[in-house]
Amino acid sequence: AAGVIQSPRHLIKEKRETATLKCYPIPRHDTVYWYQQGPGQDPQFLISFYEKMQSDKGSIPDRFSAQQFSDYHSELNMSSLELGDSALYFCASSSQRGDETQYFGPGTRLLVL
Amino acid sequence: GQSLEQPSEVTAVEGAIVQINCTYQTSGFYGLSWYQQHDGGAPTFLSYNALDGLEETGRFSSFLSRSDSYGYLLLQELQMKDSASYFCAVAAAGNKLTFGGGTRVLVKP
Repeated sequence: AAGVIQSPRHLIKEKRETATLKCYPIPRHDTVYWYQQGPGQDPQFLISFYEKMQSDKGSIPDRFSAQQFSDYHSELNMSSLELGDSALYFCASSSQRGDETQYFGPGTRLLVL
Repeated sequence: GQSLEQPSEVTAVEGAIVQINCTYQTSGFYGLSWYQQHDGGAPTFLSYNALDGLEETGRFSSFLSRSDSYGYLLLQELQMKDSASYFCAVAAAGNKLTFGGGTRVLVKP
């Protein structure tokens, strides 16, 4: 079965640079969620989209923005990167017409130097 | 806001049974989920309880008591591959998940 796809899987950036993370949800899933997980931490909810509209917002810095496109893929844009942004970034998708279970992608490991 | 408490670490031997408890305080509650995460891997969905009672999925079972704001994950017939972190998570309005701190399960031969 198709799973959530994230790219890139690994990313190394310098401080103050920008990064764009991409997420391709499971086919026919209409909702995308972004989570950030620091080393030894639990995943923290950042933002979610339903049918291309932002549906909820968590602890997402103002330096970050995200959107969901017409094909339901989503991009997380991160600017003015800081050392503390180094983390695993997971995208999850679900279907509001289904059981709403969130299925996670493999994650993007971002390292800011 | 939401807060969830679960033990930080559990050690057990192969073939044993482990119960991971989770207590939660939430301003909204739709259900309690459990996820497994191996080091460096993605959280993998294990089970979801919206109503009180026990849900069984193979060697894993999950229980919920909404009146006690409490749930647990039961791992039976432990295998070495079960060594991982296990997170309880509360789904609230908007279906966003708030995770507990995770329980690291170490299975020894």
